[in-house]
Amino acid sequence: EPEVTQTPSHQVTQMGQEVILRCVPISNHLYFYWYRQILGQKVEFLVSFYNNEISEKSEIFDDQFSVERPDGSNFTLKIRSTKLEDSAMYFCASSETGLGGVPPGTQYFGPGTRLTVL
Amino acid sequence: AQSVTQPDIHITVSEGASLELRCNYSYGATPYLFWYVQSPGQGLQLLLKYFSGDTLVQGIKGFEAEFKRSQSSFNLRKPSVHWSDAAEYFCAVGGTHGNQFYFGTGTSLTVIP
Repeated sequence: EPEVTQTPSHQVTQMGQEVILRCVPISNHLYFYWYRQILGQKVEFLVSFYNNEISEKSEIFDDQFSVERPDGSNFTLKIRSTKLEDSAMYFCASSETGLGGVPPGTQYFGPGTRLTVL
Repeated sequence: AQSVTQPDIHITVSEGASLELRCNYSYGATPYLFWYVQSPGQGLQLLLKYFSGDTLVQGIKGFEAEFKRSQSSFNLRKPSVHWSDAAEYFCAVGGTHGNQFYFGTGTSLTVIP
């Protein structure tokens, strides 16, 4: 069964450093997402990406964050200058269609990257 | 505002007992509802989903959920729990207000022999 993969599984970085989290979505999916979960809190939406551009983003997704689909298979999340509060589990997800599609798109999630900022 | 509430942070059940995990949602349009399960070190695995039609939906691993519009609920059930069901369970809502999902805080399930 196709699945979303993410690398690395765990990333430790110093505050102020840049990190890139990588995801390989399911191959025929067209919509891509990043979510994060701070320890003990809800899974929160960061951004959705379709047709090579951001389609939605939350208030969390400020100028420190960016996403890119550098080739036909990878989808990346970059945090330019990490802060302590960026420590979280970051989940990538993908779907064949959006929620407005027919049928609505179900999002399939990867295993996550645990980011620790020291 | 869109939100999901899972009132039970942690539930402990005996193996073979029945299980019900509660989920209440608030969504300003037609909701699409999902349950995901997360085992330690694993990603979020889809258990089941509701878009429309029959309000009782069947999922994987013997789980089912019932959508009750009048109660804004989508509770997850399983008639007989197995030790391997121990995990974190997340309810999520999405819909026509965009593509993002709104998650609950999760319910941690412990299964005792």
